[in-house]
Amino acid sequence: GEDVEQSLFLSVREGDSSVINCTYTDSSSTYLYWYKQEPGAGLQLLTYIFSNMDMKQDQRLTVLLNKKDKHLSLRIADTQTGDSAIYFCADPGGSQGNLIFGKGTKLSVKP
Amino acid sequence: AAGVIQSPRHLIKEKRETATLKCYPIPRHDTVYWYQQGPGQDPQFLISFYEKMQSDKGSIPDRFSAQQFSDYHSELNMSSLELGDSALYFCASSLNGARGYEQYFGPGTRLTVT
Repeated sequence: GEDVEQSLFLSVREGDSSVINCTYTDSSSTYLYWYKQEPGAGLQLLTYIFSNMDMKQDQRLTVLLNKKDKHLSLRIADTQTGDSAIYFCADPGGSQGNLIFGKGTKLSVKP
Repeated sequence: AAGVIQSPRHLIKEKRETATLKCYPIPRHDTVYWYQQGPGQDPQFLISFYEKMQSDKGSIPDRFSAQQFSDYHSELNMSSLELGDSALYFCASSLNGARGYEQYFGPGTRLTVT
């Protein structure tokens, strides 16, 4: 079945850029999503990218998509302590669009 | 902007009891999804509804059932609760076809089974 993989941890210093990587197996997805989850909170839709795009920029967020390698990345510029959270890559691989999530990358931002 | 509403936010039940979780989607959204997130885990898809009909089923135990009502709200019914059912239960809603299946999540219901 479809699978989404992410590295589990990333630690950066405040002001640096963060890059969170994701690989997926389903090549038919039209969109791919990034969600953010703060401790004890729900899942916040951060951004998405359409499958015919290579890059999408949204303020401090840049999403890169390499369809050939089935690799997705999320870059957060000027990372702040408020960016500390778990970031999930999600692929609507289900037949009716249900999301398949990666294990999540826990981003820790040190002052 | 209106968001997905879930109730209750927290629920404590004993083993073998039943629980009902409610979800109110964003107005005009026609699709509802239920996910279960165990401690330290990624969310796992349980079941979805489109226009009040079940549209897809994931790893939902037979002890669980769900439905979507005429006003589009949805309820997840859980019976014979087990300790392993302790988790965060999320409801998400989307407008079918809009940007793929762009889903907006509610704050979740934290179920603790003792």
